[in-house]
Amino acid sequence: ILNVEQSPQSLHVQEGDSTNFTCSFPSSNFYALHWYRWETAKSPEALFVMTLNGDEKKKGRISATLNTKEGYSYLYIKGSQPEDSATYLCAFNAGNNRKLIWGLGTSLAVNP
Amino acid sequence: NAGVTQTPKFQVLKTGQSMTLQCAQDMNHEYMSWYRQDPGMGLRLIHYSVGAGITDQGEVPNGYNVSRSTTEDFPLRLLSAAPSQTSVYFCASSYSRFYNSPLHFGNGTRLTVT
Repeated sequence: ILNVEQSPQSLHVQEGDSTNFTCSFPSSNFYALHWYRWETAKSPEALFVMTLNGDEKKKGRISATLNTKEGYSYLYIKGSQPEDSATYLCAFNAGNNRKLIWGLGTSLAVNP
Repeated sequence: NAGVTQTPKFQVLKTGQSMTLQCAQDMNHEYMSWYRQDPGMGLRLIHYSVGAGITDQGEVPNGYNVSRSTTEDFPLRLLSAAPSQTSVYFCASSYSRFYNSPLHFGNGTRLTVT
């Protein structure tokens, strides 16, 4: 059974802190790793789709790295702001299809 | 640009009733899908479509039907609602059927079956 794990489950930081969290996935049959941000009362919004080992992607203050050989991806947020408060989901693609396996998310709260 | 539109936002059904959750996208996306989200579980794929006239089962298809008569619309039908179908349902679309394109989600439908 393929499983995606995210840690920590939740995180509280102060405005201005930098933070990071982890998505772990099976290291075999890797096709893609997706990151989404999910704000309360809204729908998930795509951040990154990563496909190559060693990929690094950046969007404003948010960046992500990918290690497919060891099966993990890190999401970094530099200088957290209250508007970064959300649940961050990752999802793993084990085939050339759209069948994603989703983690449970890391819930981030940024205190002003 | 509306993106992915789901209706209704909330619905309460009695056991045995049927209903259709609507999903429409205006981005000419090839791929459309339905997920359900339950506490303590990751998003689970119900059904998906890679183009008009083509549908396939996801991880948890039982109790649900779909059709894709146009590129824009992908309704989800509950044939005979059960309490186990109480969940939040999300429709998601993507420009490509392949793994490397991001999903665009609707705002969700919260369904309660009593």
